Amino acid sequence: AQSVTQPDIHITVSEGASLELRCNYSYGATPYLFWYVQSPGQGLQLLLKYFSGDTLVQGIKGFEAEFKRSQSSFNLRKPSVHWSDAAEYFCAVGPGGNTPLVFGKGTRLSVIA
Amino acid sequence: NAGVMQNPRHLVRRRGQEARLRCSPMKGHSHVYWYRQLPEEGLKFMVYLQKENIIDESGMPKERFSAEFPKEGPSILRIQQVVRGDSAAYFCASSPPQGRLAGGSYEQYFGPGTRLTVT
Repeated sequence: AQSVTQPDIHITVSEGASLELRCNYSYGATPYLFWYVQSPGQGLQLLLKYFSGDTLVQGIKGFEAEFKRSQSSFNLRKPSVHWSDAAEYFCAVGPGGNTPLVFGKGTRLSVIA
Repeated sequence: NAGVMQNPRHLVRRRGQEARLRCSPMKGHSHVYWYRQLPEEGLKFMVYLQKENIIDESGMPKERFSAEFPKEGPSILRIQQVVRGDSAAYFCASSPPQGRLAGGSYEQYFGPGTRLTVT
């Protein structure tokens, strides 16, 4: 069965510092991977996605993620965090096409001055 | 192009009442997914529908919950005889038809959610 693990429940970083949010997945075939961000009381916004090709994908708001098949990971990174990045981040996996997604439990990011 | 719309945004129901949550997908989208988010949890898939058809309801509780996506109008998630454990945020997402043919988007667009509180 598909599953997604986000090991960090809560991360606090200083504004301007770099960020890496971890995501590990369990899936039998090549997965389709996504990172979503959810601001308090809001819906989910897609940051980036990976289907195939270059394993380093660029997303919106300066985020990037790297797919590492050998480690079953799809970690999200940002070189310099802004206070507005404080939110909940969800990693998700799916088999592709029009199919439901499996989400991790999320990582809450706090940004301090 | 308006995004996915959900209403109401907030819904309060007493135990035993019915809750009806509505989702209007993005224009041109014919696939709708419902997810539930419990406090401190990620989103859990409930049901996947296309127009007039339920494709996958493996994540939906067998009792009290039902969903539809009629030919005309929004998709409806109905919860009968609500209990306190139904309190959660319910998100709807939509995607275009034939993902592979539509440029391989494979992207689900989420609505703002309906926050259900059962008192």
